Amino acid sequence: GAGVSQSPSNKVTEKGKDVELRCDPISGHTALYWYRQRLGQGLEFLIYFQGNSAPDKSGLPSDRFSAERTGESVSTLTIQRTQQEDSAVYLCASSLVFLETQYFGPGTRLLVL
Amino acid sequence: AQTVTQSQPEMSVQEAETVTLSCTYDTSENNYYLFWYKQPPSRQMILVIRQEAYKQQNATENRFSVNFQKAAKSFSLKISDSQLGDTAMYFCAFMSPTGTASKLTFGTGTRLQVTL
Repeated sequence: GAGVSQSPSNKVTEKGKDVELRCDPISGHTALYWYRQRLGQGLEFLIYFQGNSAPDKSGLPSDRFSAERTGESVSTLTIQRTQQEDSAVYLCASSLVFLETQYFGPGTRLLVL
Repeated sequence: AQTVTQSQPEMSVQEAETVTLSCTYDTSENNYYLFWYKQPPSRQMILVIRQEAYKQQNATENRFSVNFQKAAKSFSLKISDSQLGDTAMYFCAFMSPTGTASKLTFGTGTRLQVTL
């Protein structure tokens, strides 16, 4: 596609439920990132995938958060047993290779009631 | 760890005027990358401009230019001939080439309002 796409655009869930967020990177981009943006704040790095290398999970806030990516295609971010503090916009970005400019998707707004 | 500071939470400028957004950062590295991203109400983060620290020349993209002061660790964004469509949150971001992840470290943003 022309840009990074994410789905769903918005997600409302109840506390304790699991959610799955999806990211489709720009075709040919080997690097993929997930960030979290809490209301009124900047973005926080969550996880990074580069090709078939082991992902950098150093930004994941707890073991309730996990992400997968198969090769250089779609990635899913899963949040288990959601908590109200997980409410945020989750943004995905991709870049051609390591250190290249990151291009962002429109994000998924998650609201945990 | 690197930090990025944007000391202006909100700014306002009249259409056609010039405005400068401030950004400072802290790092012990000599080579790195700096970015300005724009986030309009649509939530889409849009790259405005990119600067490599090893380049002395300030980056320019049409009406957008930066003043990169490496010794002072300052990276301000100048928007000339402001347009209504420039209304957005602007984030300054830092990227280090060291480590395994070229992750971006963001400031807290400056909300820019362009008025008639």
